[in-house]
Amino acid sequence: RKEVEQDPGPFNVPEGATVAFNCTYSNSASQSFFWYRQDCRKEPKLLMSVYSSGNEDGRFTAQLNRASQYISLLIRDSKLSDSATYLCVVTPNTGGFKTIFGAGTRLFVKA
Amino acid sequence: NAGVTQTPKFQVLKTGQSMTLQCAQDMNHEYMSWYRQDPGMGLRLIHYSVGAGITDQGEVPNGYNVSRSTTEDFPLRLLSAAPSQTSVYFCASGRLADYNEQFFGPGTRLTVL
Repeated sequence: RKEVEQDPGPFNVPEGATVAFNCTYSNSASQSFFWYRQDCRKEPKLLMSVYSSGNEDGRFTAQLNRASQYISLLIRDSKLSDSATYLCVVTPNTGGFKTIFGAGTRLFVKA
Repeated sequence: NAGVTQTPKFQVLKTGQSMTLQCAQDMNHEYMSWYRQDPGMGLRLIHYSVGAGITDQGEVPNGYNVSRSTTEDFPLRLLSAAPSQTSVYFCASGRLADYNEQFFGPGTRLTVL
């Protein structure tokens, strides 16, 4: 089982739709969680951190469910510019300074 | 600030050749890392560094060497290129206290024939 798993998609949604992605992680002692965004053939960029209490930034909401070991990203009122791959990132509690990236979920927002 | 810069942008090697991928950052970040990204596999950590003179292995270190002689630079060396090393390589940096909040370079697309 991969340490971090994501539905690869693609998710095809119309503009204005609400879409949600989940990401599951296998190490229950994982410490930190993040969502990154990656545009086609570009570098990943940090989208938002995921806190136990949840985190909201405009149209984006991130949640953490430690009991079920998953994090989620909700995008409301989707824009064409939201089309990208969304990467889930987890810091395992294995010592060192390592980061585990999920393979990403592709989102296409259509006009 | 230029942020994180990587050179070259593209490279084609023959099996057995060696080369160095360059990475530099001007944000005075302690933490720097190298990843490779392959289709369907996400980014995998190759090596990382928490400061000048300190490096450690990531998930897929075999076939790669790194050194960190200055805070700014973190080159990645391919010792003897193999077709399995065909990939997109990203360098990233961050503050040690928030090392998961990483800033990435634009990447190097490497093809090994």
